[in-house]
Order: sequence, then structure tokens, then C-alpha cells
Amino acid sequence: ETGVTQSPTHLIKTRGQQVTLRCSSQSGHNTVSWYQQALGQGPQFIFQYYREEENGRGNFPPRFSGLQFPNYSSELNVNALELDDSALYLCASASGFSSYNEQFFGPGTRLTVL
Amino acid sequence: ILNVEQSPQSLHVQEGDSTNFTCSFPSSNFYALHWYRWETAKSPEALFVMTLNGDEKKKGRISATLNTKEGYSYLYIKGSQPEDSATYLCALINTGNQFYFGTGTSLTVIP
Repeated sequence: ETGVTQSPTHLIKTRGQQVTLRCSSQSGHNTVSWYQQALGQGPQFIFQYYREEENGRGNFPPRFSGLQFPNYSSELNVNALELDDSALYLCASASGFSSYNEQFFGPGTRLTVL
Repeated sequence: ILNVEQSPQSLHVQEGDSTNFTCSFPSSNFYALHWYRWETAKSPEALFVMTLNGDEKKKGRISATLNTKEGYSYLYIKGSQPEDSATYLCALINTGNQFYFGTGTSLTVIP
């Protein structure tokens, strides 16, 4: 069974650029959630996808968008990068629609915006 | 935005000691509570998913309780070991399927 993977591991961008982060779900999982973790804070929920549809969104502006593909892998896109977007981005997959199910996290992508 | 608070922020205990920490949350619109352990240089690992008032869950030396009416959950570790050193995070899920994490309790177990 393959765990959750994320790419790239690290990324450096400049303010105003766009970035795409990728996440492959654990085998058999059809729900993916994305989180942003800034230094000294807990993970902040960005959004969740279930079977290719957005299924919950946190308090992030529309320049944070996502996709889930038929194989349940997912992308997080961030447009017009700002310095405050520098953070660790985590994705987590789960089986099923309900938030009663355990999430399995990937190792994260460290984004630095200069 | 919901405020999920964890206390203490950090904790140092001797090997063999038992310890506990708290996750406090607003009780309205409660749907579920998750506990995670996050070791340095690893990914967060799910410990418990708790849904019902009065729930008690146990995994080895770690257990958790839930009180949704008063808005808190306790995590207990019995006989702490150095490998228990990690940050312990709780996350509230509301009826809108939004996840709210606390900032975590950092536990260091001293051999």
C-alpha cells in the first residue's frame, strides 16, 4: 500500500508568481484535504475534495484553488503569491465522505515566497 | 473562525511519568474531533477520531476522552517513553466540514 506523497518537497517562488502543488492519495482513498502550516501555528484548513468535488473550504481567498482528478490525486494552485504564503503545505487523504474517518498525511511541500 | 486551544503549549516529563493535555473548543456545531501525533521530520499521524459525547478511545498507552457539551477533550499518556516525544494536535470538525486545528502541545520525554 502506497502512502500519501507530495511534490515538490521544496519550492522557492517570488511574489506575484503562481504555484501548483501536487498530492497523490493513499490507495483506496477518495477524499483529499489541503492545509497550510505557517511557523508557530497549527495547520490551517484550505479545502477538501471528495470524488472530484469541493466538500468544505476554510477561510482562504479565491486565489487558492484546487482540483481532484479521477484517480483521486489532487492539486493546490495559488495565484498572485504573497510573502505570507510562505509555509508548509500538507495534504491528507481519507476513505469516504465523512470526517469521521482518519486522515493520512503526506510529508508536505515547503514553499518560500521571496 | 473557531478557536481551538491546546494546553499546555509544551511539556517536559521524565520517562515513566504519566501525563495529560487538553484541547478546548466551542461546542456549537460540533461534528467530530481528531487527535494527531506529529514527530519531527515526519508526517502527522492520526491517533483518534472522536464523535460522541462521553467517547473514550485507547491505543496502547495513549487514551482520549471527549466532552462535547462543555467543549473539551483530554489526551492521556501512561508511562511516557522517549518515543512519545512529539507534538500532539487536536482538530475540531464542524457541521460545515471545516477543520480547525489547535497549535499543539509539544511533549518531550526525558530518558
